[in-house]
Amino acid sequence: ELKVEQNPLFLSMQEGKNYTIYCNYSTTSDRLYWYRQDPGKSLESLFVLLSNGAVKQEGRLMASLDTKARLSTLHITAAVHDLSATYFCAVDEAVSSGGGADGLTFGKGTHLIIQP
Amino acid sequence: KAGVTQTPRYLIKTRGQQVTLSCSPISGHRSVSWYQQTPGQGLQFLFEYFSETQRNKGNFPGRFSGRQFSNSRSEMNVSTLELGDSALYLCASSLGGPRRHFGPGTRLLVL
Repeated sequence: ELKVEQNPLFLSMQEGKNYTIYCNYSTTSDRLYWYRQDPGKSLESLFVLLSNGAVKQEGRLMASLDTKARLSTLHITAAVHDLSATYFCAVDEAVSSGGGADGLTFGKGTHLIIQP
Repeated sequence: KAGVTQTPRYLIKTRGQQVTLSCSPISGHRSVSWYQQTPGQGLQFLFEYFSETQRNKGNFPGRFSGRQFSNSRSEMNVSTLELGDSALYLCASSLGGPRRHFGPGTRLLVL
């Protein structure tokens, strides 16, 4: 059974600080996703990491993937209040041949609160 | 381009009833997948359809079923509702590659 573990599950931090969310997974998949969810809302895609060593950055967020360690990180630089949300990482169970999207296995999410 | 739409957005049912939820993918997307989100179990994969064929199914009882039509619109049905089926049901569409676009969700409350 594929397992995806995030830590921490809850994070309260001050504006201006840096922090990292970790995502460990148990499969050999090299497809790792990060999503953001605001309270009562749907999932917003942040990053899609498709190979070992992939690094993507958008604003104050940077995600990386180490498939050998089965680890992805989401780094927050100089946090601002608007980044307060729940962040999920997810992994594909398998990649089908011929196209099509397989089911995602999600971590439990990291509830991030950024205080002024 | 319009995003993924889901109807209805909110729904209240009673135990034992059945419910049908609808998802219209982004135009041109042929893959639709469904997820259930609850506070206790988190986000769980229900099933995925591609060109009207179910390609993958999560670990849910047979009360949960779905289908996809020729225009790629998808429906999921839950029969004999239980209190534990109360959840946010999310639909995602994809061209067939890894990037999925999630809809706003249908919030189901079972009383």
